[in-house]
Amino acid sequence: QQQVKQSPQSLIVQKGGISIINCAYENTAFDYFPWYQQFPGKGPALLIAIRPDVSEKKEGRFTISFNKSAKQFSLHIMDSQPGDSATYFCAASMYGGSEKLVFGKGTKLTVNP
Amino acid sequence: EAQVTQNPRYLITVTGKKLTVTCSQNMNHEYMSWYRQDPGLGLRQIYYSMNVEVTDKGDVPEGYKVSRKEKRNFPLILESPSPNQTSLYFCASSLVGQLYEQYFGPGTRLTVT
Repeated sequence: QQQVKQSPQSLIVQKGGISIINCAYENTAFDYFPWYQQFPGKGPALLIAIRPDVSEKKEGRFTISFNKSAKQFSLHIMDSQPGDSATYFCAASMYGGSEKLVFGKGTKLTVNP
Repeated sequence: EAQVTQNPRYLITVTGKKLTVTCSQNMNHEYMSWYRQDPGLGLRQIYYSMNVEVTDKGDVPEGYKVSRKEKRNFPLILESPSPNQTSLYFCASSLVGQLYEQYFGPGTRLTVT
């Protein structure tokens, strides 16, 4: 299975709150798990990425938590700001045999002021 | 400035009229890919290329063609567009060993009537 399942489809949080987006995968051949951020009218852009041998990676207010045994990973946005309002995609990459980046269906995040 | 460019950005056409969407990158990336983005379906890969003259099908290749004659260019060809190809299209590129870090173009919004 080369799917990545993402939830929720949409998320509304208040300014200063924590935004949490979850993803799950099946294929253990995936070797990297990035998150992309997309603003309206723009292409997606890499936000943060993690390897499966690391349980957590933090960059500023953005943190990826990775649970290899459960085949799940999540994005946490601390102190969410209106400027974080965007669509977020989790993804999983595979190199060797089937070189591709498989995306989740996306989460539209709205941060209210 | 490192970038992926796409042209045109917007296109309205009629069923059956052949069209080409161009994609160019200036980062000397070997890997290039085309995605379509539809509401509720996320980003789905159409075709990808590992290098010049090397292309392969993604998840939704029907109705599309690609070519990779030069490293920097990866055009997407719709020989007989149909209304179900109305979508937002993105070109992306990356180094072969870093598929998780893809650089996306600004997108082409295509409407087929």
